[in-house]
Amino acid sequence: GQNIDQPTEMTATEGAIVQINCTYQTSGFNGLFWYQQHAGEAPTFLSYNVLDGLEEKGRFSSFLSRSKGYSYLLLKELQMKDSASYLCAVSGYSTLTFGKGTMLLVSP
Amino acid sequence: DTGVSQDPRHKITKRGQNVTFRCDPISEHNRLYWYRQTLGQGPEFLTYFQNEAQLEKSRLLSDRFSAERPKGSFSTLEIQRTEQGDSAMYLCASSLARDHQGYGYTFGSGTRLTVV
Repeated sequence: GQNIDQPTEMTATEGAIVQINCTYQTSGFNGLFWYQQHAGEAPTFLSYNVLDGLEEKGRFSSFLSRSKGYSYLLLKELQMKDSASYLCAVSGYSTLTFGKGTMLLVSP
Repeated sequence: DTGVSQDPRHKITKRGQNVTFRCDPISEHNRLYWYRQTLGQGPEFLTYFQNEAQLEKSRLLSDRFSAERPKGSFSTLEIQRTEQGDSAMYLCASSLARDHQGYGYTFGSGTRLTVV
């Protein structure tokens, strides 16, 4: 089975940097995804890691350590529109298993 | 292609009624997934299809739930004898191939079900 943990809520200030952590225990691993979900909307793809290390995409970066079962999503130069839920998802043998999501609130 | 479409967007039904939701995936995607999401939780896997074959069902999918993808294109999810605990957002997603290729899933906007 899969067990995925991430903080429930985080707050940060506009322009700051925030790191959202995710730890996982899985019976199969084919990569880790991060999704962003605004209230009442569908999750949208942010990043994918299958090898250890850092993947950078503009203001967003994601890191993976497979030996530690650990990932983080780094958001830089925070904007108000970044207020959303951030979902960590692990790809198993055939489907994605999602964590409960981290609600990020960005304040002015 | 307009992405993954779900219909209806919202459904309010009385307890005990049957409801059916439809999902139209991205046309070239051969995999289609159904997830359920409640407030403050991440999406929970229900079932998935590769073409018209239903390959996996979660233990969450009780006998009251049935899903079909008759021609390997659109899919329907039916809930019979709805209960208040069925109230949730039902998300459909599709993918081109194994998600480990790095593109993950494309989600539809969901159907929000409220059972009163």
